[in-house]
Amino acid sequence: GAVVSQHPSRVICKSGTSVKIECRSLDFQATTMFWYRQFPKQSLMLMATSNEGSKATYEQGVEKDKFLINHASLTLSTLTVTSAHPEDSSFYICSARGRGSNNSPLHFGNGTRLTVT
Amino acid sequence: SQKIEQNSEALNIQEGKTATLTCNYTNYSPAYLQWYRQDPGRGPVFLLLIRENEKEKRKERLKVTFDTTLKQSLFHITASQPADSATYLCAHQGQTGANNLFFGTGTRLTVIP
Repeated sequence: GAVVSQHPSRVICKSGTSVKIECRSLDFQATTMFWYRQFPKQSLMLMATSNEGSKATYEQGVEKDKFLINHASLTLSTLTVTSAHPEDSSFYICSARGRGSNNSPLHFGNGTRLTVT
Repeated sequence: SQKIEQNSEALNIQEGKTATLTCNYTNYSPAYLQWYRQDPGRGPVFLLLIRENEKEKRKERLKVTFDTTLKQSLFHITASQPADSATYLCAHQGQTGANNLFFGTGTRLTVIP
């Protein structure tokens, strides 16, 4: 159980275009979803936390107008990288937590490798 | 601000030996720590959670300890196997009651046959 599906797994786009990444919880209701970013050989950096039906909370230094997060339902959250630039190339990973305590484990998707040319 | 550090970027050990990975934190003591495994190009997978009032937690060949005096958690893999080769991450919540999770820098473990 507790499967999180993330699509696409890889995307290559041109500078200036926008890219949407989907994160779905397949067998549970995700009241909270998290978006992380990971550069090569570095750890996961939390970008934002989103609760279903409300606006996302962004971490310091993350531009909310550039990284648009929508958590419209209990099973789907999307991250849109707007006007992407080469420096946005990274590995983006979503995770989800179901109903329960704040210390319950996170379930992660398999990530999206974004390359902006 | 809180920092969470894993002492080794990489660790190589011989098959059959016990691997010990270290996670240190500064400032406030988290209510719990979680350990995850990440394989290349994949998302992390949860392994173990240990609370601040627990000294030790075990799961099969895995053991985690939590020392709030030393501000440290140790992660042990006994009888290591090449399949245990991966990056291991420790994580903790941002602040008491917060629902987000922050990760350490990770240790890349290689078990040599």
